Amino acid sequence: AQSVTQPDIHITVSEGASLELRCNYSYGATPYLFWYVQSPGQGLQLLLKYFSGDTLVQGIKGFEAEFKRSQSSFNLRKPSVHWSDAAEYFCAVGEPGNTGKLIFGQGTTLQVKP
Amino acid sequence: DVKVTQSSRYLVKRTGEKVFLECVQDMDHENMFWYRQDPGLGLRLIYFSYDVKMKEKGDIPEGYSVSREKKERFSLILESASTNQTSMYLCATGPTNNEKLFFGSGTQLSVL
Repeated sequence: AQSVTQPDIHITVSEGASLELRCNYSYGATPYLFWYVQSPGQGLQLLLKYFSGDTLVQGIKGFEAEFKRSQSSFNLRKPSVHWSDAAEYFCAVGEPGNTGKLIFGQGTTLQVKP
Repeated sequence: DVKVTQSSRYLVKRTGEKVFLECVQDMDHENMFWYRQDPGLGLRLIYFSYDVKMKEKGDIPEGYSVSREKKERFSLILESASTNQTSMYLCATGPTNNEKLFFGSGTQLSVL
């Protein structure tokens, strides 16, 4: 069965430090891959997505993610975290050509220390 | 900007009540979704719809039903609310090319 695992439930980093959020998926082929962010009291917003091609994808707010087929991973990175990045982050997978049905990971809550 | 509007931000209901959660989108998207969000479980798909009057079960449809009479509106119905349905409910919409989903701000439902 398809699944998404985010091993880190909670991460705390200092402002200005680098960030990596982990995501592993289980899927029979190469799925569509997404990272969404949810700020407190808000819905989810798309940070970036991977469908095919270059395995390093750039997103909004200075985030990037790298698809590694051999590791079934799609980790999210940011070189320098800002206090406004504190939020919950969700990795998700979808079927290529599917009409948008996604499977989400459990989420990682990011806390940023001043 | 796409707007996905959920009718209530907070809702408190009693066990056994019939509950309606409404979602309206203004982007003419074909696809609409209802997710449930619980701490430590992420988002789980309840129901989705590809078109007017069409619906399909997601991963956790038990205790829920949906209605889509107009393209822009997708309603989630709890026929007889139970305490284990206390949760955050998120509506989402998207085009058929699966490029991205647009989410509403959510409805925090408490069933007492």
